[in-house]
Amino acid sequence: GDSVTQMEGPVTLSEEAFLTINCTYTATGYPSLFWYVQYPGEGLQLLLKATKADDKGSNKGFEATYRKETTSFHLEKGSVQVSDSAVYFCALSGRNAGNMLTFGGGTRLMVKP
Amino acid sequence: EPEVTQTPSHQVTQMGQEVILRCVPISNHLYFYWYRQILGQKVEFLVSFYNNEISEKSEIFDDQFSVERPDGSNFTLKIRSTKLEDSAMYFCASSPSGANVLTFGAGSRLTVL
Repeated sequence: GDSVTQMEGPVTLSEEAFLTINCTYTATGYPSLFWYVQYPGEGLQLLLKATKADDKGSNKGFEATYRKETTSFHLEKGSVQVSDSAVYFCALSGRNAGNMLTFGGGTRLMVKP
Repeated sequence: EPEVTQTPSHQVTQMGQEVILRCVPISNHLYFYWYRQILGQKVEFLVSFYNNEISEKSEIFDDQFSVERPDGSNFTLKIRSTKLEDSAMYFCASSPSGANVLTFGAGSRLTVL
């Protein structure tokens, strides 16, 4: 079945550092790929998405590119802020699965001033 | 911005008791979902609901679980006889259509003693 693997956290960075959170997936066909973020005490919020190969999703300075050849969707940000501290979830939705999402385990990011 | 609201935010119950978790989806959304996250584990799909019936469910969603949309506003998840392993964060989500991104609530934490 479908699965998502992302790097374990926590990831601890200083403010203005470069961020990469790796995500790889296994799926049949051509899934849509997502990054969700969960700030403390809040629900899962969509951060960005990509629906086909080579698409780049971007939002709030975060980017991720749908790489079919490496089945990856790594999240990057050039300069993190303390306010980016949260848990980040990579997820996929199979073409024939309605909106059923398969999530990775989540990666906690802690940004220190 | 419209949001999905969930109550209670935290519930503690004794093993064997019935629990009802409540969700108010976004008003013009038609698709509703429950996911759960056991502490330290992945976010897992439980069930999706459309047109007053279950459209998909996972292996986790056994006979102890049921969902209902009793009044056109609330969307509830009932666990008939809770087990220790039901302790988790339960997330409700809704979507305007089967092809749109999900909006998640903040979650209800269930602790079974």
